[in-house]
Amino acid sequence: GQNIDQPTEMTATEGAIVQINCTYQTSGFNGLFWYQQHAGEAPTFLSYNVLDGLEEKGRFSSFLSRSKGYSYLLLKELQMKDSASYLCAAMDSNYQLIWGAGTKLIIKP
Amino acid sequence: GAVVSQHPSRVICKSGTSVKIECRSLDFQATTMFWYRQFPKQSLMLMATSNEGSKATYEQGVEKDKFLINHASLTLSTLTVTSAHPEDSSFYICSARDGTSGEVDTQYFGPGTRLTVL
Repeated sequence: GQNIDQPTEMTATEGAIVQINCTYQTSGFNGLFWYQQHAGEAPTFLSYNVLDGLEEKGRFSSFLSRSKGYSYLLLKELQMKDSASYLCAAMDSNYQLIWGAGTKLIIKP
Repeated sequence: GAVVSQHPSRVICKSGTSVKIECRSLDFQATTMFWYRQFPKQSLMLMATSNEGSKATYEQGVEKDKFLINHASLTLSTLTVTSAHPEDSSFYICSARDGTSGEVDTQYFGPGTRLTVL
């Protein structure tokens, strides 16, 4: 079957670094997405990886290993506004999105 | 975990026809369902929020007469794109909120429906 696993909740300190992991199993693979979702708002696109390696975009970086079915989202210099849910989604061979349940990130001062 | 399905997964239609997309919560009761539109590598754009048994609430700029939403039961919401045009071609994603869960902010997302209007 197809599934995505990511931690339910993580806690980190303002100014620190946090890594949110995501493992996936899909029928075929057409890329891995990360979204940020604040409570009551629509998910915001953060990154898309389809090739192995690290993609850096400001304070956020996303890494993909296709052979391991593994991705992570790295958030640096954490700010209070980064408190949100982070959704991992993999696109399968039919271009369907397989969603993780989301990781609730709590930032403490 | 909670599962949300969408049907069809992919649809191709002619300009001027109407297309219905179904969103179902398979193992929970969804008091609220959301319909999003996704453009490539962009954020999901919320189109409307539907609550079971009441009229949907549309976001600004979304034509309610063009995108008809029905949420007739606690497990099913439908989006009908009426008189579809090529610019309506997009990836439509629904999500559902579990009304019985204490996690009021948790949404479960469907796999999406790719609509192509010729």
